[in-house]
Amino acid sequence: EVQLVQSGAEVKKPGESLRISCKGSGYSFTSYWISWVRQMPGKGLEWMGRIDPSDSYTNYSPSFQGHVTISADKSISTAYLQWSSLKASDTAMYYCARRRGYMDVWGKGTTVTVSS
Amino acid sequence: QSALTQPASVSGSPGQSITISCTGTSSDVGGYNYVSWYQQHPGKAPKLMIYDVSNRPSGVSNRFSGSKSGNTASLTISGLQAEDEADYYCSSYTSSSTLKVFGGGTKLTVL
Repeated sequence: EVQLVQSGAEVKKPGESLRISCKGSGYSFTSYWISWVRQMPGKGLEWMGRIDPSDSYTNYSPSFQGHVTISADKSISTAYLQWSSLKASDTAMYYCARRRGYMDVWGKGTTVTVSS
Repeated sequence: QSALTQPASVSGSPGQSITISCTGTSSDVGGYNYVSWYQQHPGKAPKLMIYDVSNRPSGVSNRFSGSKSGNTASLTISGLQAEDEADYYCSSYTSSSTLKVFGGGTKLTVL
């Protein structure tokens, strides 16, 4: 079964760093890009950026460029989304999804809560 | 404000058909056949329902169909069922630096 398994919920304080993960299984991880999508509480979907796991080439939405870093470790079929200094406004659900264009397989999401 | 415009809500009775619109520009919806639609039930991850304007992934009911005219894409659900009640999002490739945009989402209520 093709699936993306995301890391568990996180509760952090403003200014802390964080890395969440997305592990692919059931397919060739390096054959499909991985995207990250944010959903703030009660709001819609926002595309953040994506990575080609075969060479770690990335694209970012201008709205998120410089605020997050997307990376991947193809040896363990895992993509990452990380922050160096969290803000309260980063509180959201974060989904990873497969494919460069349309997103056909989604992880269940990782809830990130940032509160002092 | 989302890059693609969707109605905030639509509703229909079981068995009826409904259409959700998704309006963009010639830089996204109108310029490329890369529109996709996603269904999201409360507390769940989005699910791909339509890709490349009108293609259905394996396993998605043929009650779901997609189309496009000019800068507006549409998702039609025929034979509405209670399980179709969910939020629906359109998405498109865009030639702007954003690369990919979503609509604001449409809440479908099955009366």
